[in-house]
Amino acid sequence: QKEVEQNSGPLSVPEGAIASLNCTYSDRGSQSFFWYRQYSGKSPELIMFIYSNGDKEDGRFTAQLNKASQYVSLLIRDSQPSDSATYLCAVSTSYGKLTFGQGTILTVHP
Amino acid sequence: EPEVTQTPSHQVTQMGQEVILRCVPISNHLYFYWYRQILGQKVEFLVSFYNNEISEKSEIFDDQFSVERPDGSNFTLKIRSTKLEDSAMYFCASIIDRAKTQYFGPGTRLLVL
Repeated sequence: QKEVEQNSGPLSVPEGAIASLNCTYSDRGSQSFFWYRQYSGKSPELIMFIYSNGDKEDGRFTAQLNKASQYVSLLIRDSQPSDSATYLCAVSTSYGKLTFGQGTILTVHP
Repeated sequence: EPEVTQTPSHQVTQMGQEVILRCVPISNHLYFYWYRQILGQKVEFLVSFYNNEISEKSEIFDDQFSVERPDGSNFTLKIRSTKLEDSAMYFCASIIDRAKTQYFGPGTRLLVL
């Protein structure tokens, strides 16, 4: 069973702080890695994708990938209350199928 | 900006009834997917569809489920005889290329009574 594991949280950070979200995956053949944000009752919304080892930055978000350790992370700088949501880590395998983690609930308090 | 659309947004049905969930993928996309999310649980892959045939399906996607692309735009998921445990949010997604990012529709909330 190919798994994606996330700490379900909740992770609580003060406004303006850095939120760090982590994810591990079991399938070494995984090629693409995604972070989605999901608000309650809504569909997943793409935040970042990363294909290569290292860091990728987009605005306040930085995705980090370490294929040797099978580890993906997402850093959110200057966290805002509007960032409060569930963050889903997803890994792409054959035919583009996404395997999702359970999600980490993030709460940013003023 | 083009987006994936889904209808209906909510569907309530009696156990044993057939339901059809509809999706309109982004127009130039080639790969189509259905996922489901039971309340409080993770998003689960159901099926992928390419070139008018199923390319992969999960163990959830049993004989009660079928998918179809009846015309050039719609992509449907049919559940022949719904069970209580089919109650979930169903998301459609599409991509232009399987190496690219999947875009999700807003979902259909299915409630089986």
